[in-house]
Order: sequence, then structure tokens, then C-alpha cells
Amino acid sequence: GAGVSQSPRYKVAKRGQDVALRCDPISGHVSLFWYQQALGQGPEFLTYFQNEAQLDKSGLPSDRFFAERPEGSVSTLKIQRTQQEDSAVYLCASSLELGLAGVEQETQYFGPGTRLLVL
Amino acid sequence: AQKITQTQPGMFVQEKEAVTLDCTYDTSDQSYGLFWYKQPSSGEMIFLIYQGSYDEQNATEGRYSLNFQKARKSANLVISASQLGDSAMYFCAMRNNYGQNFVFGPGTRLSVLP
Repeated sequence: GAGVSQSPRYKVAKRGQDVALRCDPISGHVSLFWYQQALGQGPEFLTYFQNEAQLDKSGLPSDRFFAERPEGSVSTLKIQRTQQEDSAVYLCASSLELGLAGVEQETQYFGPGTRLLVL
Repeated sequence: AQKITQTQPGMFVQEKEAVTLDCTYDTSDQSYGLFWYKQPSSGEMIFLIYQGSYDEQNATEGRYSLNFQKARKSANLVISASQLGDSAMYFCAMRNNYGQNFVFGPGTRLSVLP
């Protein structure tokens, strides 16, 4: 089956512009996560969904960041009034289940990421 | 909250040799899972191997094995018979049981020399 896909792969935005990043998770995966990865660092958590419910958005850096997953499958991460410090790779991941232990349930599968550059 | 430490920013290994990438973790939970991911220059995070805290045997997946020492809270990745295609960033991660997201270490950049 298909893996996690993200679009666009690359995005150049002028400071102040709004952007929308899309994630298509693996079919049947209940959980969806967004991470931000700065150059040379490990991914940092932004937010996650269980089906259409956003259960944790504690990692979103400001109220300019907004995520949704209205039908429990595709998710969109929106950044309003982009700033230069928003430049990073945005990674989406999905997993089968939340709250259950074990490799099948817990493993998160990542998309290729969207590389955002704000000028 | 969980924390992952990877003390080796960069490692070099000769092709066909084995290499160990270090990972230590900090958690107060009794039940947890540890993961290793590979990130080549293309950017995609590739799942390599998983170790459950109650697993008595060290996990193995092909050329990857995990040297799990629970009392020392370490979960080192061993890559046997290194290949040029193994050159990449490697991240150790565990699930944050106060939420559900992964907490990642800073990564180790592995370079395999011909």
C-alpha cells in the first residue's frame, strides 16, 4: 500500500504570506502527527489527531499555526503570516492506533516532508 | 517528560565494518517503546527497529540490532556490515507518555567510507 504523502515538497513564501501544507496518511491509520524539523536537529512535535479529533496541540509555536483533519484522513497544517523563523521541514506521520503498546500500534510512518523557506 | 540523548554528532565507519550508535533515555515509566529511524539526505524518516521495555531479547532486523540495557537506560543501535547507502542521519526516539507524540534525540550523522 501507499505510504504517507505530503504536498508540496518545497514551498517558498514571502514573509507575511499564508501557507497550507497537506498530508495524506496511510489508509486506515487512526493517528496523525505533525512535526517541525529545523536544520541539523531532530523533529519537534507540533500536534496530533486521533481520527478527526485534535487531541494535543501543545507543540504549536504560536496562534499563527493551525491544523485540521476534518474527515479523519487528510490533514492540513496552515501557517498564517509566515515569519523567517518558520523556515523548516514539516513532517507528517501516521500510526495505526493510540494508547496501545507494541510495534504494530506505536510505530509512526513518516512522509517525505515539506521544506518551507520563508524569505 | 521523556528525554533522549545521542552523544555522537558524527560517526565514520569503513564499508563492511560494524558500527554502534549510542542512545540513552530518561523516563519514569515502566512500559515504553524505543525506536530508531534513519533519515537520508532525501529527508524521509525511515523506521528501522523497535524495542519494547518488556522484551527480554534484543531486537534484530536484518543488519540492524538494538543493544538494550534497561538498567542503564541505553538502547544503542548496531549496524553490521556497513554499506555506502547507510550514510545518513540516525535518530533514536521514544513515545512521550504524557502525550502520544515521539520525543527524538538530536541525531547522529553516520558516514560510511569506501
